[in-house]
Amino acid sequence: AQSVTQLDSQVPVFEEAPVELRCNYSSSVSVYLFWYVQYPNQGLQLLLKYLSGSTLVKGINGFEAEFNKSQTSFHLRKPSVHISDTAEYFCAVSKNAGGTSYGKLTFGQGTILTVHP
Amino acid sequence: GAGVSQTPSNKVTEKGKYVELRCDPISGHTALYWYRQSLGQGPEFLIYFQGTGAADDSGLPNDRFFAVRPEGSVSTLKIQRTERGDSAVYLCASSSYGGDDTQYFGPGTRLTVL
Repeated sequence: AQSVTQLDSQVPVFEEAPVELRCNYSSSVSVYLFWYVQYPNQGLQLLLKYLSGSTLVKGINGFEAEFNKSQTSFHLRKPSVHISDTAEYFCAVSKNAGGTSYGKLTFGQGTILTVHP
Repeated sequence: GAGVSQTPSNKVTEKGKYVELRCDPISGHTALYWYRQSLGQGPEFLIYFQGTGAADDSGLPNDRFFAVRPEGSVSTLKIQRTERGDSAVYLCASSSYGGDDTQYFGPGTRLTVL
């Protein structure tokens, strides 16, 4: 089974400051890794995903994440945040079974990012 | 094109009643997922369909929960004898083929059991 821990439930930050949202996972098998964002009153939207290859993944809206296998982490970063980045962010994993993963996602509890002017 | 849609957006029911929640996936997507999100938690997997069949229903909490996808498109999540603990947002997602393909989520149905 897989599990995901998001280490911060809330992260307040000022506009134009950098931000890092932390995610650690636990799994006995290889995994695919995802970050989703949920804006108020909207559905979950994929920010980025790591499947294989380069451990630095770039996503939409200027976000990036780095897969660290030894530390079982997949932290999300943005060098300069905007007010519009205020939302809840979810880290998720799915089992990588050599291409036969069904895509079942296991989510963390979420981190609420609040960007202040 | 149209995204994933879910109806109703809100459902209030009384304890013990039966409810049906509907999901319309993106046209052509063969994979469909149901998740449940309780307050302050991340979504939890319930069931996965590949076409018309349930490929993985390991997340359904008990036999009061059942889901169907008879024609491989629209899916209905059915909850019998609802309990207050069933109150949550029920999310539906679809993807082209499952596996590592991106899942596109609907806005959810907020179920409140009084």
